Order: sequence, then C-alpha cells, then structure tokens
Amino acid sequence: NAGVTQTPKFQVLKTGQSMTLQCAQDMNHEYMSWYRQDPGMGLRLIHYSVGAGITDQGEVPNGYNVSRSTTEDFPLRLLSAAPSQTSVYFCASSGDRPYEQYFGPGTRLTVT
Amino acid sequence: AQKITQTQPGMFVQEKEAVTLDCTYDTSDPSYGLFWYKQPSSGEMIFLIYQGSYDQQNATEGRYSLNFQKARKSANLVISASQLGDSAMYFCAMREGRTDSWGKLQFGAGTQVVVTP
Repeated sequence: NAGVTQTPKFQVLKTGQSMTLQCAQDMNHEYMSWYRQDPGMGLRLIHYSVGAGITDQGEVPNGYNVSRSTTEDFPLRLLSAAPSQTSVYFCASSGDRPYEQYFGPGTRLTVT
Repeated sequence: AQKITQTQPGMFVQEKEAVTLDCTYDTSDPSYGLFWYKQPSSGEMIFLIYQGSYDQQNATEGRYSLNFQKARKSANLVISASQLGDSAMYFCAMREGRTDSWGKLQFGAGTQVVVTP
C-alpha cells in the first residue's frame, strides 16, 4: 500500500516550458487535490476533484490544468511555466472518513 | 478572506515543556473539520490530530491534544513534554463539511517551533 505517490521529486524548467506533475493513490479515494506551498506560507489549493471525470478550481488555478480520467490518477499540467510557479507542489487524497487526508511527499519545482 | 489564522510566526520552547500553538478559524458551515499537520525540515506533511465540529470531546493523540473552543472558533494545539524532534513548522487547516468541499483544505500560515535543550 503506497498511499499517495508523486513524481518527480525535483524538477527544473525554463520559462515557457510545459510539464506534467504526476500523482497517484492506491486507496480508492474519491477526493484528490493539488496544493502549492510558497516559502513562509501555508498550502494553497490549486485544483481538486470529487471523482473521476469531475474537477474544479481552487484558490490559485491560473496556469494549471487538471483532468481525472481514473480514480487513481490526478495529474497537474503546467501549460507554460513561469518563475511565479516556482514552488513545492503537494498532491492529497481524501477518504470517506472525515479525518482521512493523505499527502504525497511533494514535488519541488524551480522555473528559471 | 483568511479563514484560518495562526498568529504566532515562531516560538521557542524548552525540551520537556508544553507548548500551545494558536489557531482561529472562520466558517458559517455548522459541519467542519479541523486538522493539525507537522512539516519538518524534510518537507513532508505529517498528520497529527483531527477535530470534528460535532465532536463532544477534545481530540487527543499521544502527546498532542486539541483545545477546541467552538464558540470562540479556536482550535489550539497543545504539545506536551516537547522533544527535540518536535522542531518543525506546524499548520492548522480546516475543511468545511459539504460533500463538494471534502477534498478542499484551507491552511493557516503556520507556526515555526524550535525546541531547545
């Protein structure tokens, strides 16, 4: 049981490049989310999903796309990377029990 | 509008002493949940404790307890008998109870705790 996995752990991009951050969970959770954490701040919600085929925007969605074709996977796409997207990205999944909120290990992204 | 407020950016605490981290929240939803997470320097988010809005008793998990004062919208974390390994950033977070909010946590800015020998 791997929980929530994220790849890659580290990534450096040049401005304008695109990439996909991968997130997968093996707990059959319906709810999945992407957050970003900037220095000295708490996590902010980018996008979330309440089930396969259903996604919605969070607090800071601009510059990011998501899709949820399966229960297990919830990739985050950066369409045209900007230095302002330099951050640590966390994926999370939520189960049916209210206290169930599991985070992946994070992806540290630097955009130069 | 900020929904989770942590007013202490940083704290020093001596080993073996107790420390209280403050968290206030704002919601009009009668059903919500409050979380505390620990983030060590390695960066992972470690779940510590959860309190539901309808829970009658304060949550406890080992050395962690949550002082839940619903009328004051306060959910302070108490760490008893601090250890050097408790040095980390601590985040308070809230999830409102609607089904379409189930995957959405709102975080405070965090409190950096440094435990000294």
